[in-house]
Amino acid sequence: NAGVTQTPKFQVLKTGQSMTLQCAQDMNHNSMYWYRQDPGMGLRLIYYSASEGTTDKGEVPNGYNVSRLNKREFSLRLESAAPSQTSVYFCASSEPLAGRSEGYTFGSGTRLTVV
Amino acid sequence: AQSVTQPDIHITVSEGASLELRCNYSYGATPYLFWYVQSPGQGLQLLLKYFSGDTLVQGIKGFEAEFKRSQSSFNLRKPSVHWSDAAEYFCAVGYQKVTFGTGTKLQVIP
Repeated sequence: NAGVTQTPKFQVLKTGQSMTLQCAQDMNHNSMYWYRQDPGMGLRLIYYSASEGTTDKGEVPNGYNVSRLNKREFSLRLESAAPSQTSVYFCASSEPLAGRSEGYTFGSGTRLTVV
Repeated sequence: AQSVTQPDIHITVSEGASLELRCNYSYGATPYLFWYVQSPGQGLQLLLKYFSGDTLVQGIKGFEAEFKRSQSSFNLRKPSVHWSDAAEYFCAVGYQKVTFGTGTKLQVIP
């Protein structure tokens, strides 16, 4: 019962490099999310996908792109990494039941350092 | 816009003592409210949630939270803290786009 799987767990990038963070869930959830966590700032929403085929910006989308590849997978791409994108990135999924939010299931995170 | 305030950045309690973590929210309608816990190096785990009904909700690990609409609060409580409860706790509000507070780090001393 894997839940939400994120890869890689750790990554160091040089400024200007690109990379894609991968996320997959095996719970048949419709909604998926990308958050970043920075000390003292909690979690901030980057992008989300309410259902397969749709994506929307969150609070801090600049410098990122996303792809909802299928119902299971939701990737986050940094086209040209900047030191300000050094953070811990979390993917999450959820499935509202009868119009009620049941909360998120989180992955274990990707710790990204941009030098 | 929805928002969450956790006024305590860091709290220290003795093992066996009671715990209350504060959370205040701003939300335009009936709020979906959550508490999550994060152990070091881990993702977040859902402790409990509130949408409607009984304003005192029970969660996992012996935690409970009380929704007070008049005070826009959703405080987390535990009667007797265990050393394994040391972690960071996040309050959150929202339906699909959830907004998180900045977290409260709990230290438990023997």
